[in-house]
Amino acid sequence: NAGVTQTPKFQVLKTGQSMTLQCAQDMNHEYMSWYRQDPGMGLRLIHYSVGAGITDQGEVPNGYNVSRSTTEDFPLRLLSAAPSQTSVYFCASRPAGEGNEQFFGPGTRLTVL
Amino acid sequence: SQKIEQNSEALNIQEGKTATLTCNYTNYSPAYLQWYRQDPGRGPVFLLLIRENEKEKRKERLKVTFDTTLKQSLFHITASQPADSATYLCALNAGNNRKLIWGLGTSLAVNP
Repeated sequence: NAGVTQTPKFQVLKTGQSMTLQCAQDMNHEYMSWYRQDPGMGLRLIHYSVGAGITDQGEVPNGYNVSRSTTEDFPLRLLSAAPSQTSVYFCASRPAGEGNEQFFGPGTRLTVL
Repeated sequence: SQKIEQNSEALNIQEGKTATLTCNYTNYSPAYLQWYRQDPGRGPVFLLLIRENEKEKRKERLKVTFDTTLKQSLFHITASQPADSATYLCALNAGNNRKLIWGLGTSLAVNP
């Protein structure tokens, strides 16, 4: 199993550009989440999904869109990049059920100029 | 306000000693708490889960305690090794089993 994969690993955008961060998992997990990690802020939940066709907002959803058309894929779209979105983005997945461990991808380091 | 606090200063210990990391929280009544390890440039990796009705959990050299009265979890690494050097994150379930609330992490350095 590849686990959780994310692409790209690094990305530089200009303000106003849009892009999609890709996330895929091959463990058949129901739950998938997107986090951003910033110094002094810890991991903050952007959006999450409890299954194909179901998504919901997390703590910091503004400026991001998600969709979940399949169990495996959970892309994160930046609509119009802003410098405040410079961060490291992690995708995670886990089985349904309380307390199950989350499996994280390797992260995408995004810089918005 | 609701928050989670972990040791903000880096912890430096000598190889072979026991490392103890603290996770304190306020205004939550979590059903469980998890500990993760994060190495530079990588995603967090799950280590241990402890539920509200459990006082202690062990896994090899790792031990976690959970005191819901003190609103505190302690994470111990016994017989520490330089390979244990990393940042350790605590996360707790804030009443909704779909979401975790994360601490900022404590950086641990084990010196040979």
